Amino acid sequence: DGGITQSPKYLFRKEGQNVTLSCEQNLNHDAMYWYRQDPGQGLRLIYYSQIVNDFQKGDIAEGYSVSREKKESFPLTVTSAQKNPTAFYLCASSSRQVRTSLSNTGELFFGEGSRLTVL
Amino acid sequence: GNSVTQMEGPVTLSEEAFLTINCTYTATGYPSLFWYVQYPGEGLQLLLKATKADDKGSNKGFEATYRKETTSFHLEKGSVQVSDSAVYFCALSDRRGSNYKLTFGKGTLLTVNP
Repeated sequence: DGGITQSPKYLFRKEGQNVTLSCEQNLNHDAMYWYRQDPGQGLRLIYYSQIVNDFQKGDIAEGYSVSREKKESFPLTVTSAQKNPTAFYLCASSSRQVRTSLSNTGELFFGEGSRLTVL
Repeated sequence: GNSVTQMEGPVTLSEEAFLTINCTYTATGYPSLFWYVQYPGEGLQLLLKATKADDKGSNKGFEATYRKETTSFHLEKGSVQVSDSAVYFCALSDRRGSNYKLTFGKGTLLTVNP
């Protein structure tokens, strides 16, 4: 079955430690995204990548880093510089539409999420 | 910039009640509109979508109609079930050249009691 796999589902971290969240997809999608979800605030975009070896900052990139060495993988590192890292993190992917294609509507496919708690 | 405004929750209903969750948007161009659902402890799943004005998206008894004149995409269901308890997100996807930008509302928590 095609889909997006995030791991770990739950993660605890001490203050001052970096932690990396894994995201793997087998949907053959070009674009991948990381969102952060906090109660009452909806989803906020951290980073996104439209192609291998390229990524862009989203709305709240400070304190986070990513890499995109393979099409299937887009890991997110939450660094010690992130002031309030406790949150639910969601990875998503979408097929990158061809410029002239009208069939792609920008739909995102999400993983199950990773809940990070800083102790 | 683009924005999505949806009614604040939480919404609490009894089983078999009628559901409406309001969603309005601001966007340039011709966005596609989505409703996503998030069950407790899970990621988001696409519930339904509409890609142009007057389109009606439907799935699992839920419906929403793309109203360009009122810039709205309200979610409705005629008879809710306990299993519909979840957070619902309205979103729009705006095409910019070869890229899309997805903008989400803040989500509405729905609780359905037996």
